[in-house]
Amino acid sequence: KAGVTQTPRYLIKTRGQQVTLSCSPISGHRSVSWYQQTPGQGLQFLFEYFSETQRNKGNFPGRFSGRQFSNSRSEINVSTLELGDSALYLCASSHTWTGNTGELFFGEGSRLTVL
Amino acid sequence: KQEVTQIPAALSVPEGENLVLNCSFTDSAIYNLQWFRQDPGKGLTSLLLIQSSQREQTSGRLNASLDKSSGRSTLYIAASQPGDSATYLCAVSTTSGTYKYIFGTGTRLKVLA
Repeated sequence: KAGVTQTPRYLIKTRGQQVTLSCSPISGHRSVSWYQQTPGQGLQFLFEYFSETQRNKGNFPGRFSGRQFSNSRSEINVSTLELGDSALYLCASSHTWTGNTGELFFGEGSRLTVL
Repeated sequence: KQEVTQIPAALSVPEGENLVLNCSFTDSAIYNLQWFRQDPGKGLTSLLLIQSSQREQTSGRLNASLDKSSGRSTLYIAASQPGDSATYLCAVSTTSGTYKYIFGTGTRLKVLA
């Protein structure tokens, strides 16, 4: 059974550009959560989607947006990139949503570097 | 507001030693507590999930316990090996407010051969 797949694994952007990151959850999982991981802040929650609906949102600026498709795949978009957006972006899939005891399974992450 | 703390931040032990990693949380109203390991530059690997009604879970050399009333969980690693070297994170999912997992900052473990 395939795990959580994140693409791209690595990318380099310059300030002001935008980026889209993709996540395909484990087959049959309907919940996708996104986290930003930096050395200084640790793992910070971005979004959770379940059945194409945003269930929860973290404390990030409006430059961060996301969506989930009918096949449960999810994307996040970060516009007007800043140096501080450099991070490892992690996606986690779950059979059910976090409010219903969903166990998390993570992908390998997308490493974003903003120059 | 739920806060999750892991102490110590780093730990270095000789191979073969049994060790305990600690996780503390401030709000006992939780659904789950999950332990993960993370290798450098990689994603998180789920180790153990303890639901709020459970006291402990075991997988191989790993045993995790949960005491909700005191806001604590411990991860016990028996007979540590160099391959156990990684960062260990705990995360709790809360029942109060909005539902999401809150992560600790992790314990960086190094097992010396």
